[in-house]
Amino acid sequence: DGGITQSPKYLFRKEGQNVTLSCEQNLNHDAMYWYRQDPGQGLRLIYYSQIVNDFQKGDIAEGYSVSREKKESFPLTVTSAQKNPTAFYLCASSIPSGRRTGELFFGEGSRLTVL
Amino acid sequence: GEDVEQSLFLSVREGDSSVINCTYTDSSSTYLYWYKQEPGAGLQLLTYIFSNMDMKQDQRLTVLLNKKDKHLSLRIADTQTGDSAIYFCAESLSGGYQKVTFGTGTKLQVIP
Repeated sequence: DGGITQSPKYLFRKEGQNVTLSCEQNLNHDAMYWYRQDPGQGLRLIYYSQIVNDFQKGDIAEGYSVSREKKESFPLTVTSAQKNPTAFYLCASSIPSGRRTGELFFGEGSRLTVL
Repeated sequence: GEDVEQSLFLSVREGDSSVINCTYTDSSSTYLYWYKQEPGAGLQLLTYIFSNMDMKQDQRLTVLLNKKDKHLSLRIADTQTGDSAIYFCAESLSGGYQKVTFGTGTKLQVIP
């Protein structure tokens, strides 16, 4: 079945450590996104990528980094510079706008807790 | 700038109708969406409405769009316990990149 796979589902990190969240999709979608979800704040965009080897900052990119070396993969690194990293992280993908309705397809999420 | 607002919580009895409301600020939105998130999971698209429509019905779901007031609502008829989830309103702006702005989400609790 086509879809988006995020791993790990749960992750614990000590302060000062970097951690990388994996996101893989087999939907052949061009665009991929990372969102952060905090209770009562909705989803906030961290980074997005429209094509391979290209990505742009979203609204809250500070303390995060990404890469897009393959169409299928868009890993997110939460660095030690992120001051409040405990959150639920969601990866999504879409067909570029103008070709469809712009529906986002989401993974099941990764919950990061900093101890 | 874009802003999408929703009330945080709604409680209804099983079998009643639920109405979840949303207001948005950007009049250039092309599509407006309703996504559903079950506990500990990602979001799934429930339905969407194009900005030149006033209403869309899909089985138990009815979406109403009031462009003048920038108000969007989702009505769920005959609400079931399986409808308990967080519902997000979202808007997308025109452009090559699919920029989507999400609301804060409304947690729907269905009481048996």
